[in-house]
Amino acid sequence: GENVEQHPSTLSVQEGDSAVIKCTYSDSASNYFPWYKQELGKGPQLIIDIRSNVGEKKDQRIAVTLNKTAKHFSLHITETQPEDSAVYFCAASIGGGGADGLTFGKGTHLIIQP
Amino acid sequence: AAGVIQSPRHLIKEKRETATLKCYPIPRHDTVYWYQQGPGQDPQFLISFYEKMQSDKGSIPDRFSAQQFSDYHSELNMSSLELGDSALYFCASSPRDRVGEKLFFGSGTQLSVL
Repeated sequence: GENVEQHPSTLSVQEGDSAVIKCTYSDSASNYFPWYKQELGKGPQLIIDIRSNVGEKKDQRIAVTLNKTAKHFSLHITETQPEDSAVYFCAASIGGGGADGLTFGKGTHLIIQP
Repeated sequence: AAGVIQSPRHLIKEKRETATLKCYPIPRHDTVYWYQQGPGQDPQFLISFYEKMQSDKGSIPDRFSAQQFSDYHSELNMSSLELGDSALYFCASSPRDRVGEKLFFGSGTQLSVL
């Protein structure tokens, strides 16, 4: 089955700086890669996603890049703010058709230092 | 906007008891997914339903069963509960035109087995 590795497990950045979280996946058939933000006591919230036919996608301060050859994708957050502090999960699945389950990475605890 | 509704929010059970968790997807979402998340862990996919039929199966124990009803709500039935079943259980739903993608998660049911 699919295996998703995520690094780092904890990331501390100064407010206003950028944060980058990286993930790799093992199954070349995976073609859908979402990123979720989870705050304490809440369910994961989808913040951005990308399909394998796209190399990069941006939504305001958040961007995701995908290198399908290397099986690697990354989340970039610019101009970080205190409310960005949370646990971020990357995930992968064979999307587009069946209700396949997502395989999540182990998560990154992002801490924004004021 | 309407979100995924899960009930109950908290549930306390004894070992060997049974539990039923309920999930009401976002209106016009006909796909439901169940995930289990242990403390400090990533969500683990259990099972999914599309148009009231089981679609994909993950690491769901044989002691657990689930179904999706005609109104698209879903129930996760857990029997012979064990201490290790203590976790946060999330339900998610996705839109008809993005099956397997764009998962929206509920706030979860915190199950404690004593």
